[in-house]
Amino acid sequence: DAKTTQPPSMDCAEGRAANLPCNHSTISGNEYVYWYRQIHSQGPQYIIHGLKNNETNEMASLIITEDRKSSTLILPHATLRDTAVYYCIVQETSGSRLTFGEGTQLTVNP
Amino acid sequence: NAGVTQTPKFQVLKTGQSMTLQCAQDMNHEYMSWYRQDPGMGLRLIHYSVGAGITDQGEVPNGYNVSRSTTEDFPLRLLSAAPSQTSVYFCASSYGTEPYGYTFGSGTRLTVV
Repeated sequence: DAKTTQPPSMDCAEGRAANLPCNHSTISGNEYVYWYRQIHSQGPQYIIHGLKNNETNEMASLIITEDRKSSTLILPHATLRDTAVYYCIVQETSGSRLTFGEGTQLTVNP
Repeated sequence: NAGVTQTPKFQVLKTGQSMTLQCAQDMNHEYMSWYRQDPGMGLRLIHYSVGAGITDQGEVPNGYNVSRSTTEDFPLRLLSAAPSQTSVYFCASSYGTEPYGYTFGSGTRLTVV
């Protein structure tokens, strides 16, 4: 699976959009981009995934660049409860091994 | 409630003791995995399974055994507990052949003294 690069930490004001970037320049054609988050001491939570089109669900939006070498997770109206470590993971469709990197610590401030 | 159930939630072991961490899912997921997370660090894959009767090693398999006799259950066995195995253990499951997110359990917090 391709390697990803994320900033170690980010801050966001409550109510504002949080935009979390991820670089995956070695991504291959059959690999999806997945985003998870881990709120302190809890199990990771799946957020969203995409292949090449932008995706949106009730939690977030995922924007993938046309060359698929980077993506951005958008939390449209961040709340204090969105404070967590966010992980960007690249994985094949039928990949059985989910490999976590260091992720981005997002802190939402009042 | 549908999801991944881990038991126990907390456990203290003495060095050399053995125990089994239980993981069960009721979503008919093919894939199941075990991770450990040490304080302030990311998750590391211990063992995983792509279906009943099939298991394989992850990044840090030493000191752990797994088996998958049913689709629902994926227990993790510590053979002879060591202080280095003090960690939080997470079990996860997912559908196999389609792009789908993993569902994680709430974790087992293990302390080896």
